Amino acid sequence: GAVVSQHPSRVICKSGTSVKIECRSLDFQATTMFWYRQFPKQSLMLMATSNEGSKATYEQGVEKDKFLINHASLTLSTLTVTSAHPEDSSFYICSASDLGRGEATQYFGPGTRLLVL
Amino acid sequence: KQEVTQIPAALSVPEGENLVLNCSFTDSAIYNLQWFRQDPGKGLTSLLLIQSSQREQTSGRLNASLDKSSGRSTLYIAASQPGDSATYLCAHGTYKYIFGTGTRLKVLA
Repeated sequence: GAVVSQHPSRVICKSGTSVKIECRSLDFQATTMFWYRQFPKQSLMLMATSNEGSKATYEQGVEKDKFLINHASLTLSTLTVTSAHPEDSSFYICSASDLGRGEATQYFGPGTRLLVL
Repeated sequence: KQEVTQIPAALSVPEGENLVLNCSFTDSAIYNLQWFRQDPGKGLTSLLLIQSSQREQTSGRLNASLDKSSGRSTLYIAASQPGDSATYLCAHGTYKYIFGTGTRLKVLA
């Protein structure tokens, strides 16, 4: 099956710094990538949807200026958490789809655990 | 607002039991339904995908069914093993997925 990787898998940063998380589709072209956030003992909540070469679409309540998403190529999307604060500590998971082939299946990355001190 | 509910929230069973996990959703439009497994602190592993035109999918000891008219899906696990212990999530959607709250399964040896 299709493989999606995320980097880093775990990051600890100081409050006020910015953190970049990469999501890569390794063996297919991802026309669309999704970013999810999961707080402890809760389910995944969609943050935003990004299409290659265009601006991301953010879900209600997600600050686009705080969570910057760049889908620069068909295999890479990045999520930058700007001026991170302890409440941003969470598990961030991306998924990728190749909607250009008419497939709605989402392939998920292994996740990135962010801890903001 | 579309919601996805999973029942039970937690389940503990002895090894060898057959069990059923339930997923219900409020929007019965034609969507895909996907079941995932999540181990503690890990990402998601896709188990079964039922596309909108299908009624069920099977993989090994797992069988998932989809009833769009009632807005329900079930995941059947046969002959459960301790290695099946994890959180099971269902997700409903076509372009954007709405995730359920999950069922935490513990299979006792």
